[in-house]
Amino acid sequence: DQQVKQNSPSLSVQEGRISILNCDYTNSMFDYFLWYKKYPAEGPTFLISISSIKDKNEDGRFTVFLNKSAKHLSLHIVPSQPGDSAVYFCAEKFTDKLIFGTGTRLQVFP
Amino acid sequence: ETGVTQSPTHLIKTRGQQVTLRCSSQSGHNTVSWYQQALGQGPQFIFQYYREEENGRGNFPPRFSGLQFPNYSSELNVNALELDDSALYLCASSLRDRGRNEQFFGPGTRLTVL
Repeated sequence: DQQVKQNSPSLSVQEGRISILNCDYTNSMFDYFLWYKKYPAEGPTFLISISSIKDKNEDGRFTVFLNKSAKHLSLHIVPSQPGDSAVYFCAEKFTDKLIFGTGTRLQVFP
Repeated sequence: ETGVTQSPTHLIKTRGQQVTLRCSSQSGHNTVSWYQQALGQGPQFIFQYYREEENGRGNFPPRFSGLQFPNYSSELNVNALELDDSALYLCASSLRDRGRNEQFFGPGTRLTVL
């Protein structure tokens, strides 16, 4: 059974500092991992993805790191901004479906 | 470019009733996936439609069914509603043919079963 776990339900970070969101997984047979951001009353918005053959992918302020031996990935946001305050989901793409973690609520304060 | 839209925004039903939720996919997309998000949880995959055929199903009972139309829009039907069906239902569209991985979500339909 594929599982994706986000063990930190919440994270609070000061504006300008780094936010690090973590995700652990059990299934080694994945294609991609994706990160989504969700504001209240909106659907999840795609942020960044990483394929199984890479260990890092960067897009502006967002960088995702993949450690396959530890079955762990993380999303780094630098610098954090108040508009980044949202719930962040990591998702594993397996065949054509996405398997989501339970999310981490990020709050960026001034 | 039009994004993913869903209707209705909110819906209240009673136990045992049936409900139909609708989704219009993003322009150019040929695949629609449906997810259920319960409070405090991540979205859970219900099923996916590609070219009007079901293409994968999650761990949901048969009373959850769907359709995809020639214009790639989709419906989710739930029969014999149960209290636990109360959730946010999300539709996501994607372009499968090019092997793209991102799925683009609509705002969701909030279903409350009383």
